[in-house]
Amino acid sequence: ETGVTQTPRHLVMGMTNKKSLKCEQHLGHNAMYWYKQSAKKPLELMFVYNFKEQTENNSVPSRFSPECPNSSHLFLHLHTLQPEDSALYLCASSQEVKRGDLTDTQYFGPGTRLTVL
Amino acid sequence: AQSVTQPDIHITVSEGASLELRCNYSYGATPYLFWYVQSPGQGLQLLLKYFSGDTLVQGIKGFEAEFKRSQSSFNLRKPSVHWSDAAEYFCAVVPYGGATNKLIFGTGTLLAVQP
Repeated sequence: ETGVTQTPRHLVMGMTNKKSLKCEQHLGHNAMYWYKQSAKKPLELMFVYNFKEQTENNSVPSRFSPECPNSSHLFLHLHTLQPEDSALYLCASSQEVKRGDLTDTQYFGPGTRLTVL
Repeated sequence: AQSVTQPDIHITVSEGASLELRCNYSYGATPYLFWYVQSPGQGLQLLLKYFSGDTLVQGIKGFEAEFKRSQSSFNLRKPSVHWSDAAEYFCAVVPYGGATNKLIFGTGTLLAVQP
């Protein structure tokens, strides 16, 4: 496979469930990102990892727990979510996070459509 | 407050017609500017970006955008729209001096193309 892949593409879970979203990039990148896309709202950056180290946590509730075991894989562990957490969760990757490097383009996966009942 | 605004939530154009999607930003210094497209069931794809220099930027798929400092705008254009251009379009910025991970997106414009 090429590019950025995400599994599952669709997920329905109850508020007491625990589930995980998976992202994998085949681009040789070192930075990975999680975004939340809710209806009628701008994309919201959630987390950033650069060389497996978390560099950004955009005030995300602790019921979302990211994990980056290596530069190619990124997980988002979910537990005790709320209905308002229903959204499209997008993963992206880029070469690396480097201030002032304007050539670094983010490549996005297709997203996981999450519904919390 | 700093923001990115896409005034048009939904636009419908006829195939072959010209297209202009609006984007305005509100930042003290000119930010770095981007346009992304999201086709149904797919992730976001970068169409073009502006950092400095020539204010008319060429992108992929026949799109271009023009930066106008006086209007704080970065509108996306295409002279002749194809049915395959139906998608959602997002303007995004990185505040001046920021890292490229700090993309701030507008709310998007959904483009429908009539035969």
